Amino acid sequence: GIQVEQSPPDLILQEGANSTLRCNFSDSVNNLQWFHQNPWGQLINLFYIPSGTKQNGRLSATTVATERYSLLYISSSQTTDSGVYFCAVESTGGFKTIFGAGTRLFVKA
Amino acid sequence: AAGVIQSPRHLIKEKRETATLKCYPIPRHDTVYWYQQGPGQDPQFLISFYEKMQSDKGSIPDRFSAQQFSDYHSELNMSSLELGDSALYFCASSRTRGRGYTFGSGTRLTVV
Repeated sequence: GIQVEQSPPDLILQEGANSTLRCNFSDSVNNLQWFHQNPWGQLINLFYIPSGTKQNGRLSATTVATERYSLLYISSSQTTDSGVYFCAVESTGGFKTIFGAGTRLFVKA
Repeated sequence: AAGVIQSPRHLIKEKRETATLKCYPIPRHDTVYWYQQGPGQDPQFLISFYEKMQSDKGSIPDRFSAQQFSDYHSELNMSSLELGDSALYFCASSRTRGRGYTFGSGTRLTVV
């Protein structure tokens, strides 16, 4: 099946810093999503981005489907950005979305 | 805006008991997905339904079964519970396959 790799696995930032999270996937995908799981366990959909670039406030994402990777940019990080960021992809021909192992982010005040 | 509703939020069961988790998708969403997330792990796909028919299956144990009803709500039935079944169970829904998912708040199952 399709493999999803995220990097880095862990990240510690000072409040106000910028960061880039990466997601590599091993096969063609129907869609790609970025999720944030907050410390209370809630999964929030950040972006649905099978290709191209999207921005939402301090967050933006870019997916280059032909090269099988996606990037999530966090600018001016805040302590509330802490949590785990998951990349999830749906391979072609299926109805399931596979998650990467996540990037665990901690933003220090 | 309406979200995905899961019930119960928390559930404690003893080994070998049975549990039923419920999921009410966002209105007009035609696809429902179930995921299991163990402590410190990423969500693992269990099963999905499209228009009330099972559409895909992941690493769902034979002790588990699920269905989607005529009103589009879905139930995950778990029998002969084991300690290792303790996890956060998420339901997600989407409108038309391949669109963005909305997750519910999850059901935290503890098997003792």
